[in-house]
Amino acid sequence: EDQVTQSPEALRLQEGESSSLNCSYTVSGLRGLFWYRQDPGKGPEFLFTLYSAGEEKEKERLKATLTKKESFLHITAPKPEDSATYLCAVQAGTGGFKTIFGAGTRLFVKA
Amino acid sequence: DADVTQTPRNRITKTGKRIMLECSQTKGHDRMYWYRQDPGLGLRLIYYSFDVKDINKGEISDGYSVSRQAQAKFSLSLESAIPNQTALYFCATSDSGKGFEQYFGPGTRLTVT
Repeated sequence: EDQVTQSPEALRLQEGESSSLNCSYTVSGLRGLFWYRQDPGKGPEFLFTLYSAGEEKEKERLKATLTKKESFLHITAPKPEDSATYLCAVQAGTGGFKTIFGAGTRLFVKA
Repeated sequence: DADVTQTPRNRITKTGKRIMLECSQTKGHDRMYWYRQDPGLGLRLIYYSFDVKDINKGEISDGYSVSRQAQAKFSLSLESAIPNQTALYFCATSDSGKGFEQYFGPGTRLTVT
């Protein structure tokens, strides 16, 4: 069964304290792995797409990496404005169109 | 102006009522989607449309129907609302020429009493 699991469910950091969020997946024929940011009361905002193991993407304090079983979203020296829920999603390659979202990691960054 | 808009933003309705949620986009994307989000469950796909004449069921289509009135408009209907359809509903778009990354609207919070 295709599945996406994100951990931890919630993460509390001090400003400047770097950490990583995990997205583990099992899917038939990965066509892409996506990271989104969601602020309270808003729709998810696209951050990155990763297509193959070994690929990395960076944007400001965020860096996403991909292996054959999981993806990490590394947050370097976070600021309070990085507080949000981070969603991981995978695009399966078989069985028609299928995007599977994880439940998300809620990140709190304290000044 | 927002690229993907949804109306209404909030709606409270009673069990058995018919309700329509509307989505419009100015991104020029050909693909549109409807998702629902429930706490702890993540986003789940209800319906998707790859062009005006193409409508497909997603993971949880029972109790829902959709209409793609134009490339820029995609509406979701609940024919007879029930309490377990209380959720946050999101419309999204994507460009078939640029992969599967999706762009979401601000959401509609629907409460069925």
